[in-house]
Amino acid sequence: GQNIDQPTEMTATEGAIVQINCTYQTSGFNGLFWYQQHAGEAPTFLSYNVLDGLEEKGRFSSFLSRSKGYSYLLLKELQMKDSASYLCAVMDSNYQLIWGAGTKLIIKP
Amino acid sequence: GAVVSQHPSRVICKSGTSVKIECRSLDFQATTMFWYRQFPKQSLMLMATSNEGSKATYEQGVEKDKFLINHASLTLSTLTVTSAHPEDSSFYICSARGGSGGFQETQYFGPGTRLLVL
Repeated sequence: GQNIDQPTEMTATEGAIVQINCTYQTSGFNGLFWYQQHAGEAPTFLSYNVLDGLEEKGRFSSFLSRSKGYSYLLLKELQMKDSASYLCAVMDSNYQLIWGAGTKLIIKP
Repeated sequence: GAVVSQHPSRVICKSGTSVKIECRSLDFQATTMFWYRQFPKQSLMLMATSNEGSKATYEQGVEKDKFLINHASLTLSTLTVTSAHPEDSSFYICSARGGSGGFQETQYFGPGTRLLVL
């Protein structure tokens, strides 16, 4: 079967750094996506990794290791507005997105 | 770029009526559109995938006669919830994809439609 694993919930402090991990087992791989979803809103696209390595975009970075079936999303200089759910999704060989259940990130002052 | 709109943003209807939700890609041509449903505090659930000009592919457990999907053009897809019942109350979200590999596989989401069936 196909599955995506990520922690259910994480807590971090404003100004700090947090790393949200995602491991996956899918039939084929055509890229890994991270989305941010605030409560009551639709997801918004954060990043896309298809090659191994780190992609940096401002305060957010995403890392991929295809051999390990592993990715992480790194958030730096945390702000209160970063409180949201972070969804990891993998595109399989049929170009179907397999979604993780999401990680709820709670930022405390 | 990659803006997806959805209308209406919120709808309240009586049980037994039908509700149509529109999803539009505003600045790109969407070869594929997706319809999701999300209940409070739960994960996104893919309902169906639609390609322009062809019939939608529904996920297991989703009634195609109840959730009618029309993808008439490269910028518009509609979801009609027929004979809606209170258990259909949910957050319905569409997404659109330009297709053709790489970054164009990214799905961009509309803002969602909150449906409440009384």
